Amino acid sequence: DAGVIQSPRHEVTEMGQEVTLRCKPISGHNSLFWYRQTMMRGLELLIYFNNNVPIDDSGMPEDRFSAKMPNASFSTLKIQPSEPRDSAVYFCASRWTGTSTDTQYFGPGTRLTVL
Amino acid sequence: AQSVAQPEDQVNVAEGNPLTVKCTYSVSGNPYLFWYVQYPNRGLQFLLKYITGDNLVKGSYGFEAEFNKSQTSFHLKKPSALVSDSALYFCAVSGANSGYSTLTFGKGTMLLVSP
Repeated sequence: DAGVIQSPRHEVTEMGQEVTLRCKPISGHNSLFWYRQTMMRGLELLIYFNNNVPIDDSGMPEDRFSAKMPNASFSTLKIQPSEPRDSAVYFCASRWTGTSTDTQYFGPGTRLTVL
Repeated sequence: AQSVAQPEDQVNVAEGNPLTVKCTYSVSGNPYLFWYVQYPNRGLQFLLKYITGDNLVKGSYGFEAEFNKSQTSFHLKKPSALVSDSALYFCAVSGANSGYSTLTFGKGTMLLVSP
C-alpha cells in the first residue's frame, strides 16, 4: 500500500493568497484527520471526517480554513486568505474505524510557508 | 478533556545504553495509548499501542512501553539505544470523552543518541 499521500510537499505563498492542500487516505480507511504542527502549539487536530462526513471541526482556527471530503479517496484543506501565522506543517492521517482500537496512519505532511 | 504530558523536551543517551521517554496522561474511562516517532521532514510513524491486556507492550524497532494505571503513565523504553533512534517521539491518548475517535498528542520529546 502507498500509505497516505499528501500534496504538495512544500508550498510557499504570499499573504492573501488561497492555498489548497490535498490528501489521499489509505484505501479502505473510512476516517480522515487533518492536523497542524507548529513549534509553539505542537500537533493540533483541525478536523476529522468519518465516512466522508465532517464530525468535529472545533479545531479549525477560523473561517479562513475549510475542509472537504467529496469522496472516500480524497480530501482538501483550504486556507483563504492565507496569513503568515498559518505557516506550519499540515498532516493528514487516516484509519479504519471498524473498531475503535484502530491506528491512525500519517502522511508525510505539507510544509506551508506564507510570506 | 483528555491530555498528555511529556515532561522532557529532550532526552540524551549514549548508544548502547537503555532509554526511557516519559509520558503521563489524563482521560475519562480506560485509555487507549499510542507512541509515534517523527524523523526530520517526515510524517509520524506508529510505534506501538496499548488498548487492553498485558501492561507491557512491544512495538517496532525494539521499542516497548509499560502502562501503569495507578501512575497514569505510559513510558517508552528500549534496552539498548541506537544512534538511528534519534528522532522526535510523541505520546498520544484516546478516551471515552472523544468516543475513542480522536487522539490528543503530547508536545513531543526529542531523543538524541550519541555515538
